[in-house]
Amino acid sequence: GDSVTQMEGPVTLSEEAFLTINCTYTATGYPSLFWYVQYPGEGLQLLLKATKADDKGSNKGFEATYRKETTSFHLEKGSVQVSDSAVYFCALSGEVYGNKLVFGAGTILRVKS
Amino acid sequence: DTAVSQTPKYLVTQMGNDKSIKCEQNLGHDTMYWYKQDSKKFLKIMFSYNNKELIINETVPNRFSPKSPDKAHLNLHINSLELGDSAVYFCASSPPGGINGYTFGSGTRLTVV
Repeated sequence: GDSVTQMEGPVTLSEEAFLTINCTYTATGYPSLFWYVQYPGEGLQLLLKATKADDKGSNKGFEATYRKETTSFHLEKGSVQVSDSAVYFCALSGEVYGNKLVFGAGTILRVKS
Repeated sequence: DTAVSQTPKYLVTQMGNDKSIKCEQNLGHDTMYWYKQDSKKFLKIMFSYNNKELIINETVPNRFSPKSPDKAHLNLHINSLELGDSAVYFCASSPPGGINGYTFGSGTRLTVV
């Protein structure tokens, strides 16, 4: 079945450091790919998405590119802030079975000032 | 206005009790979902309804029963609560196809004592 693997955390960075959170997927066909962010005590918010190969999703300084050849969707940000501290989830929505959203295990990001 | 709203936000109850969580969305979406987030932040789909019809029913104990009186509401009833049911339950909705991602509620933290 469809699955998402993302790097284990927690990831701890200093403010203004470069961020990469790796995400790879296994899916039938051509899934849509997403990054969601969960701030402490809150629900999940859609951060960015890409619906086809080579698409780049971007939002709030975060970027991710849909790489079909490597089945990856790595999240990057050039300069993190303390306010970016949260849990980040990579997810895919496949072509089959009701378009259910399959999540990775989540990566905790902690940014220190 | 809140797009996907869940009530209650917190629920503490004793083992063996029956409880319900309510969810409403005002986005006009056709599809609604229930997800369970465990203590390690892992998210797993439980149910999905499309326009009041059940389309996804993952391996969930039959003590859990979703009900969708109309396409804007999806409630979750849980019978004979067990300690292992303690988790955060998220409601979500999406337009048809799901390629634009889901909109999540803020979650209901259920604690069974």
